[in-house]
Amino acid sequence: NAGVTQTPKFRILKIGQSMTLQCTQDMNHNYMYWYRQDPGMGLKLIYYSVGAGITDKGEVPNGYNVSRSTTEDFPLRLELAAPSQTSVYFCASSSRVGIKPNYGYTFGSGTRLTVV
Amino acid sequence: AQTVTQSQPEMSVQEAETVTLSCTYDTSESDYYLFWYKQPPSRQMILVIRQEAYKQQNATENRFSVNFQKAAKSFSLKISDSQLGDAAMYFCALNTGNQFYFGTGTSLTVIP
Repeated sequence: NAGVTQTPKFRILKIGQSMTLQCTQDMNHNYMYWYRQDPGMGLKLIYYSVGAGITDKGEVPNGYNVSRSTTEDFPLRLELAAPSQTSVYFCASSSRVGIKPNYGYTFGSGTRLTVV
Repeated sequence: AQTVTQSQPEMSVQEAETVTLSCTYDTSESDYYLFWYKQPPSRQMILVIRQEAYKQQNATENRFSVNFQKAAKSFSLKISDSQLGDAAMYFCALNTGNQFYFGTGTSLTVIP
C-alpha cells in the first residue's frame, strides 16, 4: 500500500524560480490537502480539494496554485519562489470528512523546501 | 473561528513512566472530531488516537488514552509505560467540516 506519495523529498530553489510539488494517493480518497509546517507554528492549510475539478483556498494560499484533474493527483505549484516559502510541505488525503466515522488524514512523508 | 492550543512546547518523561500532553480547543460547532498525531524525526505524520465529540467515552489505543472534557474544551493525551520510540513531536488537531486545525505541537523526550 503506497498511501500518499510526495515528491521530491528535498529541494533547494533560488528566489524567483518555480516548481511543482507532486502528490499522489492510491486510496481513492476524495479529499486532498496541502499544508506547510513552519518551526513552532504547527500546520497551516494552503489549499484543499473535495474532489476532481474542485479546489478551494485554505489559510495561507498566497504564492501557490493547485489543480485536481484526477482523483489521485493534487500537485502544488509555487510561482516566483520567495524565502518566506521555505518550509516543510505535507500533502494529506481523507476518504470521510464530515461523515461518521472519521478516520482522519493519511499524510505523505513531506517535502523540505529551501528558497535561497 | 476554530483554534487549537498546545501550551507545552516541550515535555520529558522517564522510560516506563506516564506523561500527559495538554490540548485545548475552541469551536462553535457541535459536531467535530479530535485527533492526536505523532511526528517522529522521520517527519512522517502518524495518527495516534481519535475522539468523536458526540461520544462521552474517552478513546483508548493500547498505551495511549485521552481525557476528553467537552464542556471545558480540553483534550489531553496520556501515554502510559513510555517507550523510547514515543519520542516525537505530538500535534493535537480539530476537524470540523472539510478542514483540520492543528496546534503548534509538543516535543516529547523520553529519558532512558
